[in-house]
Amino acid sequence: DAKTTQPTSMDCAEGRAANLPCNHSTISGNEYVYWYRQIHSQGPQYIIHGLKNNETNEMASLIITEDRKSSTLILPHATLRDTAVYYCIVLYNNNDMRFGAGTRLTVKP
Amino acid sequence: NAGVTQTPKFQVLKTGQSMTLQCAQDMNHNSMYWYRQDPGMGLRLIYYSASEGTTDKGEVPNGYNVSRLNKREFSLRLESAAPSQTSVYFCATGVEIRRPQYFGPGTRLLVL
Repeated sequence: DAKTTQPTSMDCAEGRAANLPCNHSTISGNEYVYWYRQIHSQGPQYIIHGLKNNETNEMASLIITEDRKSSTLILPHATLRDTAVYYCIVLYNNNDMRFGAGTRLTVKP
Repeated sequence: NAGVTQTPKFQVLKTGQSMTLQCAQDMNHNSMYWYRQDPGMGLRLIYYSASEGTTDKGEVPNGYNVSRLNKREFSLRLESAAPSQTSVYFCATGVEIRRPQYFGPGTRLLVL
């Protein structure tokens, strides 16, 4: 099963882009990469997902390397409300989301 | 449109007591999930239901049972609560397996 590695914490200045890296070197060819975030003690919020190509939606962009062994979530203009724990997840057996500890992003004024 | 609702929001149990956590969704999603989150940790999947009438074990199913009552409702039962089951429980739904999941607000459970 694919596992992910993320930095424990990161800081970002308000208004700047936040780039959150994730390593998933054992990912299989048909496994998607998902990103969620959890603000304080709320339920996790879906952000974006991708397989091979880069993806963009109203919340963020996802850049996946050509070998698919790593990816980067980009929040283009971080705000204070983006302070949260961000989880990079690869589906286990394509069914089971295994959340790790995630990256705690702090956006500072 | 409430999305995913969970009841109760908070519960205190004594060791050995039983209870059922309720989850309901109005998103017309096929798949539903139960997770637990212990302090400072990520979520772990307890059980999931790919579609009405089916349930499967996740990563940490021991001590729990589930019922997919209908398409809208998925309940989680603790038959004999233990202090190790003190956690925050999240329900989630998805259009189908392997699609994005949408989470409820959580139920905070304390077992004394």
